[in-house]
Amino acid sequence: DAKTTQPNSMESNEEEPVHLPCNHSTISGTDYIHWYRQLPSQGPEYVIHGLTSNVNNRMASLAIAEDRKSSTLILHRATLRDAAVYYCILRASGTYKYIFGTGTRLKVLA
Amino acid sequence: DAGVIQSPRHEVTEMGQEVTLRCKPISGHNSLFWYRQTMMRGLELLIYFNNNVPIDDSGMPEDRFSAKMPNASFSTLKIQPSEPRDSAVYFCASSPQTGTPEAFFGQGTRLTVV
Repeated sequence: DAKTTQPNSMESNEEEPVHLPCNHSTISGTDYIHWYRQLPSQGPEYVIHGLTSNVNNRMASLAIAEDRKSSTLILHRATLRDAAVYYCILRASGTYKYIFGTGTRLKVLA
Repeated sequence: DAGVIQSPRHEVTEMGQEVTLRCKPISGHNSLFWYRQTMMRGLELLIYFNNNVPIDDSGMPEDRFSAKMPNASFSTLKIQPSEPRDSAVYFCASSPQTGTPEAFFGQGTRLTVV
């Protein structure tokens, strides 16, 4: 399974954008990039995923580098409810399992 | 849909006892996963099933752990005998194979072995 590298922690001010980086230099051509987050005392929840093109949904945007060796999760306006651990995961095409790394703990300051 | 349902939410047991964790996946989902989360090791994938068949159990720690999925709406994770180092939060997740293969997680079972 290809690995991802994320900063251990980040801080953001409330109502400001947050850019969470992820490096995945060993990504293969058919690996999907998924982001999940885990709020305190809850199970992980899906945020967004993509393959090559940038993606937007109601929760966030995903910017994928042209060489696909890195990606950035963008929260457009952080709220206190966005404080969580954010995981960047590579999923091989045709498989359905997710291998979680250590993630980035996001702290949102009021 | 009520989402993935796990029971019990909390379990405290004595070392050496058998523990059974239960999971009801979301109806229509083909894949089911069991994860374990500890401070030291983070979220570990223990086993996953496709269409009730175990596909990858390489994450199961040892023979004391076993998982079954007798039908599409129920799965169990059993630990026998339990040890203090098994104390963790155990999550079950399910995922469809069509459309977005998003994994939906349950609320978890917090297991404490004393």
